[in-house]
Amino acid sequence: EPEVTQTPSHQVTQMGQEVILRCVPISNHLYFYWYRQILGQKVEFLVSFYNNEISEKSEIFDDQFSVERPDGSNFTLKIRSTKLEDSAMYFCASSGLTSGRRTRTGELFFGEGSRLTVL
Amino acid sequence: QKEVEQDPGPLSVPEGAIVSLNCTYSNSAFQYFMWYRQYSRKGPELLMYTYSSGNKEDGRFTAQVDKSSKYISLFIRDSQPSDSATYLCAMRKSGGSNYKLTFGKGTLLTVNP
Repeated sequence: EPEVTQTPSHQVTQMGQEVILRCVPISNHLYFYWYRQILGQKVEFLVSFYNNEISEKSEIFDDQFSVERPDGSNFTLKIRSTKLEDSAMYFCASSGLTSGRRTRTGELFFGEGSRLTVL
Repeated sequence: QKEVEQDPGPLSVPEGAIVSLNCTYSNSAFQYFMWYRQYSRKGPELLMYTYSSGNKEDGRFTAQVDKSSKYISLFIRDSQPSDSATYLCAMRKSGGSNYKLTFGKGTLLTVNP
């Protein structure tokens, strides 16, 4: 069964350092997302991405964050200068139209997450 | 008022029990309602997906949506120890071309053998 894969599974970094989290979405999906979950809190939407641009972002997704689809398979989240409060589990997800068809499943497939610890 | 409210539990039941999980919401624009299961340190996995009001059954799982009350439920029949996980409700508005979800906080369920 196709799945969303994320790397690294866990990253520890010092405050102020840049971090890049990587995701390989399901190959025929066209919509990509990042969500995060701070320990003990809700899964929160960060950003959605379609057709090589951001389609929606939350107020959490400030100038310190950026997303990119550098090639046909990877989808990355960059945090430019990490803060203590960025410590969380970051989930990548993909969904949406399959190429060439109009059927929408509406189902988001989530990866297993990248745990970020900022010291 | 929070957009989506969910009792975090924890909820502990014996094997074979019927489990009832629920969420309330405040935004009447939500049209699609989902239940995700999340095992410890794993990503959410979709269990049930419903549109507007009504019931949907899939095996031991039944999802109910009551839009007039802004209340959704997930029932698990004949619960098994393998059902032990955190259950997240999620919902989204209709329209648009992406599927931004708003989640509840999750209910931690333990099914004891």
